[in-house]
Amino acid sequence: KQEVTQIPAALSVPEGENLVLNCSFTDSAIYNLQWFRQDPGKGLTSLLLIQSSQREQTSGRLNASLDKSSGRSTLYIAASQPGDSATYLCAAPSGNTGKLIFGQGTTLQVKP
Amino acid sequence: NAGVTQTPKFQVLKTGQSMTLQCAQDMNHEYMSWYRQDPGMGLRLIHYSVGAGITDQGEVPNGYNVSRSTTEDFPLRLLSAAPSQTSVYFCASSYSGNRGYEKLFFGSGTQLSVL
Repeated sequence: KQEVTQIPAALSVPEGENLVLNCSFTDSAIYNLQWFRQDPGKGLTSLLLIQSSQREQTSGRLNASLDKSSGRSTLYIAASQPGDSATYLCAAPSGNTGKLIFGQGTTLQVKP
Repeated sequence: NAGVTQTPKFQVLKTGQSMTLQCAQDMNHEYMSWYRQDPGMGLRLIHYSVGAGITDQGEVPNGYNVSRSTTEDFPLRLLSAAPSQTSVYFCASSYSGNRGYEKLFFGSGTQLSVL
């Protein structure tokens, strides 16, 4: 059974800082892992998807890494901005089923 | 493209009432799923479908029913609503590639209150 954990649950940083969000998963037999952003009262938006054959995926100031052997993924946000304030969630599949399991998210606040 | 459309956006029910949450996607995605989001519990999978005519249970299926008669639609039915089903419900869909399920697209959610 796949379990996904995100640490920390909340993070507050000053504008301009580089930061790392962590995601760990128990079942390393995954074919991909996704990172999402959720703004308050809104749905989730996919940020990055890393295939199991990849080690990194980049989109603008965001960089996600995947280490299947250790059961970890990180989301790196460079030069953070107040507009980055949101909850960030990761999701990993459970075995060969169609079940995608989410972590509880990290709520990020970037202060001006 | 509209993407994933959920209706209604808000709903208040009385205990014991039934209702259907609608979800439709126009991206020809094989995979569709329903999640509920509760404070402190994160997103939990209720039911999912890998194609028309195929559904399966997620982490918290009790009290919910689904069917998938077409590729586009995946309704979620509450047969007898309970206060424990007060939550925000999200529908999501994805293309099913050779390497598994790909980027997940979410609807905007339905906020349900059961009194």
